[in-house]
Amino acid sequence: GEDVEQSLFLSVREGDSSVINCTYTDSSSTYLYWYKQEPGAGLQLLTYIFSNMDMKQDQRLTVLLNKKDKHLSLRIADTQTGDSAIYFCAESTSGNTPLVFGKGTRLSVIA
Amino acid sequence: GAVVSQHPSRVICKSGTSVKIECRSLDFQATTMFWYRQFPKQSLMLMATSNEGSKATYEQGVEKDKFLINHASLTLSTLTVTSAHPEDSSFYICSARDKAYQWADTQYFGPGTRLTVL
Repeated sequence: GEDVEQSLFLSVREGDSSVINCTYTDSSSTYLYWYKQEPGAGLQLLTYIFSNMDMKQDQRLTVLLNKKDKHLSLRIADTQTGDSAIYFCAESTSGNTPLVFGKGTRLSVIA
Repeated sequence: GAVVSQHPSRVICKSGTSVKIECRSLDFQATTMFWYRQFPKQSLMLMATSNEGSKATYEQGVEKDKFLINHASLTLSTLTVTSAHPEDSSFYICSARDKAYQWADTQYFGPGTRLTVL
């Protein structure tokens, strides 16, 4: 079945850039997402990218997709303490299929 | 933006009782809603897919008689945990897919319901 892998922890200093990486196995993945989960809260969609795109930028967030290597990354520029959270990578193959999530990367921002 | 609400946000119940969790799409119609379960410090595990007006599709290993799902309208799906036991304690999250959003598959997540069974 499909599998999505992420590193579990990342620690960065405030003001630096954070890069969270994700790999997936399903070559038919069409949509790839990044979600943010703050403690005790639900998931917040940060951004998504179609499989026919290489890059998407939205303010401080940059998503890079290497479809050949099935590698997705999320770069957060000028990381702030409010960015501390768990970031989930997810993929789906179509509009009616559920998302397959990675285990999440816990980002800690040190002031 | 699209908002999904869940009610209640937190519930504590005694073992053997049933608990109903509501998931509502507030400003859009959702033909499909998904129910996930999240254990502490773990990822989300899909429990079932709920389509309006039809029976839910459960993932392997999820007991359909224990986790009853009803998707009676385009804006409401309910999950009922029947005869709850302490091992059912978890964070339950629903998501809803916007029927009108044709150009990207985005699922909007509710804030989650924390269930504690004593």
